[in-house]
Amino acid sequence: SQQGEEDPQALSIQEGENATMNCSYKTSINNLQWYRQNSGRGLVHLILIRSNEREKHSGRLRVTLDTSKKSSSLLITASRAADTASYFCATDRGSTLGRLYFGRGTQLTVWP
Amino acid sequence: DAGITQSPRHKVTETGTPVTLRCHQTENHRYMYWYRQDPGHGLRLIHYSYGVKDTDKGEVSDGYSVSRSKTEDFLLTLESATSSQTSVYFCATGPPEANVYEQYFGPGTRLTVT
Repeated sequence: SQQGEEDPQALSIQEGENATMNCSYKTSINNLQWYRQNSGRGLVHLILIRSNEREKHSGRLRVTLDTSKKSSSLLITASRAADTASYFCATDRGSTLGRLYFGRGTQLTVWP
Repeated sequence: DAGITQSPRHKVTETGTPVTLRCHQTENHRYMYWYRQDPGHGLRLIHYSYGVKDTDKGEVSDGYSVSRSKTEDFLLTLESATSSQTSVYFCATGPPEANVYEQYFGPGTRLTVT
């Protein structure tokens, strides 16, 4: 079963706008990660937020984590056409064995 | 995915034939993983390895086996391919640091079973 559930499933915006994607999960976690996948390529790690962190930034990316609501959001500011991709959240379900559980992803399309 | 390669990148095979997919890494990562990606399902873990000769099952391991005889190679075998195993297969590796579970993905293998 999928641990993360991203929403929306698809998001379409114009260049320059902000894109927000959400992820919900069901179990305790040690950390939550976001990955990007361009069409026909493998996933690329974007950012990791630990369970004791509430917010993290990396360039135009901002991730928040609310462990009480078991949810996370990924904000991409000032989107570019090159940000067009699928975005996945992944959690460890509290395990320390190196396993990750991925959601089904959000397909982001940024129009020039 | 510069340090992780998968071979073959594309394969078409017939139902009932054995298939082996190879993942090779140059990162010296301890952990290696095999996932399959299907529309509507995201990524699902098939098997993973936490060291040479140390492997364990994932969520969808039925019909698959793995082997890891060297740190750099992780093989996924479909003993008798079925149409339900048509999918895109991704290998991933994880760094050796404890409690740091970022994963690094290969480019994928598209497998079609006819």
